[in-house]
Amino acid sequence: DGGITQSPKYLFRKEGQNVTLSCEQNLNHDAMYWYRQDPGQGLRLIYYSQIVNDFQKGDIAEGYSVSREKKESFPLTVTSAQKNPTAFYLCASSSRRVGTDTQYFGPGTRLTVL
Amino acid sequence: GENVEQHPSTLSVQEGDSAVIKCTYSDSASNYFPWYKQELGKRPQLIIDIRSNVGEKKDQRIAVTLNKTAKHFSLHITETQPEDSAVYFCAASTRIQGAQKLVFGQGTRLTINP
Repeated sequence: DGGITQSPKYLFRKEGQNVTLSCEQNLNHDAMYWYRQDPGQGLRLIYYSQIVNDFQKGDIAEGYSVSREKKESFPLTVTSAQKNPTAFYLCASSSRRVGTDTQYFGPGTRLTVL
Repeated sequence: GENVEQHPSTLSVQEGDSAVIKCTYSDSASNYFPWYKQELGKRPQLIIDIRSNVGEKKDQRIAVTLNKTAKHFSLHITETQPEDSAVYFCAASTRIQGAQKLVFGQGTRLTINP
């Protein structure tokens, strides 16, 4: 999991602004994921990508957008359409190889809407 | 879709005693069940996982059991130590081509009392 980085660590946003969270991995993983974690709750899947130039909606995709132009990068944009964006955002990656299912997480970005 | 229920939400045990956390899942197609440990403000770290073709797996003081018929799996920690204090999450997933779509439980806050 040391091969996944997220930036920034803390992010403050005014209402009505779009913000982009960065996620980079050097593990040569094809699959990447974005999760949202609210206080005292489990992780919920926002978007995932199995391969470059492909991504699918998770369980709570409304108000978020992603791109996957490079294998190493999977940025998440939190748009003004997301009504309650304050949360801890975690990026993860995993290998496509069958039998290697482990998802490795980045250190997270804590987003606060002012 | 998949739904994962985790119990208890909080658990307090004396140092040296055992701790057991239980999860149930709804989708019989789920075939991979990881357990993550998350310390305050940190990323989730995989501690053990099990696949649907195995009933039990052990790693030193940690074990996981899986009952596919009843759709439940459990985490067992023996000889607990203060450093075991954290929030533990179970998850269930099905592999979708190159990605694992994980659904997490709500988490168990484990406190080890010296």
